[in-house]
Amino acid sequence: QKEVEQNSGPLSVPEGAIASLNCTYSDRGSQSFFWYRQYSGKSPELIMFIYSNGDKEDGRFTAQLNKASQYVSLLIRDSQPSDSATYLCAVERDSWGKLQFGAGTQVVVTP
Amino acid sequence: GAVVSQHPSRVICKSGTSVKIECRSLDFQATTMFWYRQFPKQSLMLMATSNEGSKATYEQGVEKDKFLINHASLTLSTLTVTSAHPEDSSFYICSAQAGEDEQYFGPGTRLTVT
Repeated sequence: QKEVEQNSGPLSVPEGAIASLNCTYSDRGSQSFFWYRQYSGKSPELIMFIYSNGDKEDGRFTAQLNKASQYVSLLIRDSQPSDSATYLCAVERDSWGKLQFGAGTQVVVTP
Repeated sequence: GAVVSQHPSRVICKSGTSVKIECRSLDFQATTMFWYRQFPKQSLMLMATSNEGSKATYEQGVEKDKFLINHASLTLSTLTVTSAHPEDSSFYICSAQAGEDEQYFGPGTRLTVT
């Protein structure tokens, strides 16, 4: 069974600080990785995706991928109360686009 | 941007009845649509993958006769929960994909079976 693991949290982060989210995956052949944000009662929305080892930055978000360690992370800089949500890590299972989701990490940004 | 709608957003039904959920891609043609289920405090679990004009592919443990999927056109897929039971109460989310583009998620349908 291919697995995607995340700490469930909650991760409490002061406003303005950096939130660091981690995700590990079991399928060494995985090539594409996604971070989604999900507000309570809503469907996920894509924050960013990453395919290559290293860092990828988009605004206040940075995704980091290390395929050798089977590890992908998300950094949220200058955290805002509106960033309070559950962050889902997803790994593409096959070339047809099927996604395997982690259970999500709840982030709470405190003013 | 790409928009995916779902209807209804919420539905309450009695045990033993069937419920149909629609998923539409409003501004693009979706070659593939995915159906997910999410129980409270849990992650999204893929139920099935559907391609227009062909039978859906179900994930292990998902009963195809209970969760009927019809992908009749490039903009519409339906999920029918047949003979619903309280344990089927969940948040059902579809996503649509055009070719190898990213998946766009619908807003979800909250199903409550009483």
